[in-house]
Amino acid sequence: DAGVIQSPRHEVTEMGQEVTLRCKPISGHDYLFWYRQTMMRGLELLIYFNNNVPIDDSGMPEDRFSAKMPNASFSTLKIQPSEPRDSAVYFCASSLWHYGYTFGSGTRLTVV
Amino acid sequence: DQQVKQNSPSLSVQEGRISILNCDYTNSMFDYFLWYKKYPAEGPTFLISISSIKDKNEDGRFTVFLNKSAKHLSLHIVPSQPGDSAVYFCAASIRETSYDKVIFGPGTSLSVIP
Repeated sequence: DAGVIQSPRHEVTEMGQEVTLRCKPISGHDYLFWYRQTMMRGLELLIYFNNNVPIDDSGMPEDRFSAKMPNASFSTLKIQPSEPRDSAVYFCASSLWHYGYTFGSGTRLTVV
Repeated sequence: DQQVKQNSPSLSVQEGRISILNCDYTNSMFDYFLWYKKYPAEGPTFLISISSIKDKNEDGRFTVFLNKSAKHLSLHIVPSQPGDSAVYFCAASIRETSYDKVIFGPGTSLSVIP
């Protein structure tokens, strides 16, 4: 199994641009999570899906952030427009049961 | 306001000795606790967990202790090995309506010195 696959690994963009992060969960996992890691706040849950349906998006910081899961094998996290304070490492994770997450390697986003 | 706290940002331990990583939480409704380990440029990986109805769970060199009255848990690694050098995240789960929400602490960076 290839694990949770995230792309791109690194993204550098200019303020105001749209950024799309991608995630392919492990086949058969019915939970998918998007987390953001910063030095100040550690790992923050942004949103999670169960069976492709968004369950809790209370962690999404602003309307500039949106996430979709059009099918069981793909999810996107979009930031439009991006700002320098969005710079962080964004992790996608999936699980078959709620606690045992498998995380992807993350996308390091830098907004200049 | 952080509900899961790891007050030591970093810890250094000699190889072969015991590593003790601490975690405190504020919400008495948390019913499940987990530890994740993270190497640089990789995602966190699940390490060990404990239910709130237990006070100890052991898996090889790793043992997690839970003290509910103190709202405190700790991860013990014995003996510590250089490969254990990583960031360790404490996490706690709470049931909200029909689903469980997992909240992570900020992490503790462990360095095991050969």
